[in-house]
Amino acid sequence: LAKTTQPISMDSYEGQEVNITCSHNNIATNDYITWYQQFPSQGPRFIIQGYKTKVTNEVASLFIPADRKSSTLSLPRVSLSDTAVYYCLVGDHKAAGNKLTFGGGTRVLVKP
Amino acid sequence: EPEVTQTPSHQVTQMGQEVILRCVPISNHLYFYWYRQILGQKVEFLVSFYNNEISEKSEIFDDQFSVERPDGSNFTLKIRSTKLEDSAMYFCASSAQGNENTIYFGEGSWLTVV
Repeated sequence: LAKTTQPISMDSYEGQEVNITCSHNNIATNDYITWYQQFPSQGPRFIIQGYKTKVTNEVASLFIPADRKSSTLSLPRVSLSDTAVYYCLVGDHKAAGNKLTFGGGTRVLVKP
Repeated sequence: EPEVTQTPSHQVTQMGQEVILRCVPISNHLYFYWYRQILGQKVEFLVSFYNNEISEKSEIFDDQFSVERPDGSNFTLKIRSTKLEDSAMYFCASSAQGNENTIYFGEGSWLTVV
């Protein structure tokens, strides 16, 4: 599974856009990029997944450049309730026995 | 929205006792998992389960642990002879065939071993 590197923490303010970039230099051809959100004492929650270019859903956007060695999760107009840890995961989960490997994630603190 | 449900939400047990954590995965999912998270640490993979057998397990998942799908809806994690270091939040998760990359987690069972 490809190793990922993301910032340990980020601060933002309500209403701002938050962009979290994840590096995954050794991403493999079959790997997908998946982002999860975790609130304290809760299970990780799937946010978005992509393979290349841009993916958007009702919660976030995921930008993946052509070389796929990094990806950026964009959270538009954050609110206080978006304060959480965000994890970037990369892997071909089918090939790896469907195992997800979590790193330390990025702690996002949204301030009023 | 369908969700993974877990019981109990919190359990306190004496060291050396056996614990069974229960999970009801999303109904049409075929892949099941257990993860754990020790307080303040990373989410760690324990085991994955498909077609009534373990498909992969981590080093953490030793003989102390076992999983079972006793019927068509439940998926359980048994921890025999619990140790203090087993205290953690245990998450059950599931994913659908054809969409294995998207894994949905339950809210967790907080186990405290005293």
